[in-house]
Amino acid sequence: EADIYQTPRYLVIGTGKKITLECSQTMGHDKMYWYQQDPGMELHLIHYSYGVNSTEKGDLSSESTVSRIRTEHFPLTLESARPSHTSQYLCASSEYGTGFSGANVLTFGAGSRLTVL
Amino acid sequence: GESVGLHLPTLSVQEGDNSIINCAYSNSASDYFIWYKQESGKGPQFIIDIRSNMDKRQGQRVTVLLNKTVKHLSLQIAATQPGDSAVYFCAENTSGTYKYIFGTGTRLKVLA
Repeated sequence: EADIYQTPRYLVIGTGKKITLECSQTMGHDKMYWYQQDPGMELHLIHYSYGVNSTEKGDLSSESTVSRIRTEHFPLTLESARPSHTSQYLCASSEYGTGFSGANVLTFGAGSRLTVL
Repeated sequence: GESVGLHLPTLSVQEGDNSIINCAYSNSASDYFIWYKQESGKGPQFIIDIRSNMDKRQGQRVTVLLNKTVKHLSLQIAATQPGDSAVYFCAENTSGTYKYIFGTGTRLKVLA
């Protein structure tokens, strides 16, 4: 059972609203990530963090921002939501060498599905 | 650019049969290859990983095969069960980096 939690699970909001997607993990992992995923499609990295006060943009350009003030918490914020932001947002964390062969295995939350009207 | 892709977007398998999900990759520098399972309404869940210096790794009912000559990765599921119905993603990672490259996913449907 994954120890990474995302809220809200589902959110429907109007254009122009500010939203924050919460992500918390209890595993003490240093590395955390935000991925964007359209239904049935591949995951695209939008933000990652190597630790407290460390955040970087991922491969997919995103208008969202993130912060990492505490190890366990990695919220994502959209200042002004638009319909193009409609997607599923997946939070993940990892620790070095947790796979059976030593891979850096990602542990994912259940996701936050955002719909912007 | 570098990518990880899948040959079959949907795979239908009779319950009890074996399933084989395939993946092609292009980054020969990747150190690890990982399979994830994503059930409806959930985040991806780790299944099994394999290091680039290995050809085969077995888990419980699952086997991952790596063919570096043709840059091909496969996930074999033995005695497929209804609970195996999900979307399966392969991903590759280079040691020491944040960079995971995910493919588009294969949907596995288990027929009763």
